[in-house]
Amino acid sequence: DAGVIQSPRHEVTEMGQEVTLRCKPISGHNSLFWYRQTMMRGLELLIYFNNNVPIDDSGMPEDRFSAKMPNASFSTLKIQPSEPRDSAVYFCASSLPRDTHQPQHFGDGTRLSIL
Amino acid sequence: QQQVKQSPQSLIVQKGGISIINCAYENTAFDYFPWYQQFPGKGPALLIAIRPDVSEKKEGRFTISFNKSAKQFSLHIMDSQPGDSATYFCAASRDYGGSQGNLIFGKGTKLSVKP
Repeated sequence: DAGVIQSPRHEVTEMGQEVTLRCKPISGHNSLFWYRQTMMRGLELLIYFNNNVPIDDSGMPEDRFSAKMPNASFSTLKIQPSEPRDSAVYFCASSLPRDTHQPQHFGDGTRLSIL
Repeated sequence: QQQVKQSPQSLIVQKGGISIINCAYENTAFDYFPWYQQFPGKGPALLIAIRPDVSEKKEGRFTISFNKSAKQFSLHIMDSQPGDSATYFCAASRDYGGSQGNLIFGKGTKLSVKP
């Protein structure tokens, strides 16, 4: 049973470069979440999608961040241009419909380092 | 009002001992309180969850105690094992008229169980 799949697992790039993180949710899950995890701020919700539609992007730090979900099985989080303060572990999670409290299933994350 | 405060930041327990992690919240509209467990290099995974209509929920060695009047809840790990060494996150969310809200996470507790 495949879980949430994220790629790449690690990304090291220079400041100013475009970064694209990818996520494949669990089949049948129609809610998808992007989180950022840092030591200072913990786990922060960046954006979530319901049925491929962005519902709440209030956690996206600034216009340099954008997320898309072109279909039910794929989502991207893009940072352009990247900055050193964007260094963090980025998680994608998915869950069943949100009409009840459903557990969120997390991927193993992308560890992003911006030099 | 949206915060969930978690303590301690780190915890060292001897094998066989009891690990206790505490969380407090302000928003009385929260109605779902899960605990997530995260191992290094992995995403968080749901461990156990509770609704405020019960004061305690037990699953194996893991117990959530819930005090609605004090707006506090805690995770107890009985007979702690080295394999329990991980970071634990409490979280809370509310029901928006039949649709669950986003999870608000505590900052995490790093548990080390010494053999």
